[in-house]
Amino acid sequence: DAGVIQSPRHEVTEMGQEVTLRCKPISGHDYLFWYRQTMMRGLELLIYFNNNVPIDDSGMPEDRFSAKMPNASFSTLKIQPSEPRDSAVYFCASSLRAGVGNQPQHFGDGTRLSIL
Amino acid sequence: GQQVMQIPQYQHVQEGEDFTTYCNSSTTLSNIQWYKQRPGGHPVFLIQLVKSGEVKKQKRLTFQFGEAKKNSSLHITATQTTDVGTYFCASRLPDTAGNKLTFGGGTRVLVKP
Repeated sequence: DAGVIQSPRHEVTEMGQEVTLRCKPISGHDYLFWYRQTMMRGLELLIYFNNNVPIDDSGMPEDRFSAKMPNASFSTLKIQPSEPRDSAVYFCASSLRAGVGNQPQHFGDGTRLSIL
Repeated sequence: GQQVMQIPQYQHVQEGEDFTTYCNSSTTLSNIQWYKQRPGGHPVFLIQLVKSGEVKKQKRLTFQFGEAKKNSSLHITATQTTDVGTYFCASRLPDTAGNKLTFGGGTRVLVKP
């Protein structure tokens, strides 16, 4: 079965440019999560969706960041304008609906973003 | 604020030795999940613990959930070079809806051959 698919795998761009990261979750999963990982701050949750609806965006750093999920099989994370401090690995993850315990989150391979 | 703390941050282990990494919270947790991230890779789910005092084993890995459900541990016996990576614990904190998880800072494991 296909896992979570992210694109691009690597992105290098100059500051001020718009960056769009893409994610295709596992089919049938209700939840989609966007994380950012850096050495300094570890793994941070930026935003998550349930059934395509944004539920919690409290982790989004500032207005330069936006995320959308127009349908169950696609999500984007956009940074406009980008800044060097946005350089990080961005992961998308998806999961089934939680029950008594939580469901495992399945992560994509990530997008390694470098802003020059 | 509420968070999940992991110690140690780094663990240097001689191949063949055992080690333990710990996950602690100031609040009672409903469950604990453990993930492993290989260098250059992405976090991969290992296991979930739900019950107080629960112990689960996966080959050389032993996971335990504390009696008070405020801490958890991962013990690896006879460490191998394939154990290299960062181990994260994660949990759904109280008053958190859905499948949102809070991840600990991770323990980065380096194995000396």
